[in-house]
Amino acid sequence: AQSVAQPEDQVNVAEGNPLTVKCTYSVSGNPYLFWYVQYPNRGLQFLLKYITGDNLVKGSYGFEAEFNKSQTSFHLKKPSALVSDSALYFCAVRGLMNYGGATNKLIFGTGTLLAVQP
Amino acid sequence: DTEVTQTPKHLVMGMTNKKSLKCEQHMGHRAMYWYKQKAKKPPELMFVYSYEKLSINESVPSRFSPECPNSSLLNLHLHALQPEDSALYLCASSQVGTGINYEQYFGPGTRLTVT
Repeated sequence: AQSVAQPEDQVNVAEGNPLTVKCTYSVSGNPYLFWYVQYPNRGLQFLLKYITGDNLVKGSYGFEAEFNKSQTSFHLKKPSALVSDSALYFCAVRGLMNYGGATNKLIFGTGTLLAVQP
Repeated sequence: DTEVTQTPKHLVMGMTNKKSLKCEQHMGHRAMYWYKQKAKKPPELMFVYSYEKLSINESVPSRFSPECPNSSLLNLHLHALQPEDSALYLCASSQVGTGINYEQYFGPGTRLTVT
């Protein structure tokens, strides 16, 4: 079964420092991975996705993620954190049908709260 | 335009009321979704419509009734809800197709309180 794990409930980082939000995955077949961000009292916003190709994926707002097949990880990164990056971050993986075909269903991790201190 | 709109923003209803949540997108997406989200938890999928037909129902209680009148609109009809149904209800949409994995675009949500 497809699943993702976000091992940290909260990540604290000082403004201007690099940030990393961790995600590991467990999938059957090819992993189709996504990162979303949710600001307080808002819906989720798509940041980036990995389907195939380059292991370093660039996304919105200066975020990027590194796909590592050997470590089954898809960590979200940003070189220099902003206070405005403080939000809840979700990693997600595409679901599969019983016969192995991809579905529209996203399976989300538990979320990581990022707090950037000024 | 990558916007998904939802109305109302907030809704308070009693357990005997009937109400509806509405969602609209004009991105030409042919898949639309309803999610339920509790505070600081991941969204939980409720329903998926693909080409205006219900394709996934995640064993949601019948007091929630989805409807997809056309390719741009998605409704969620609510009846005889319980206090534990209080949550943020999110609508999303995406393209549909095999072989390419499309991201979902989310609306801002409807904050529902059942009293």
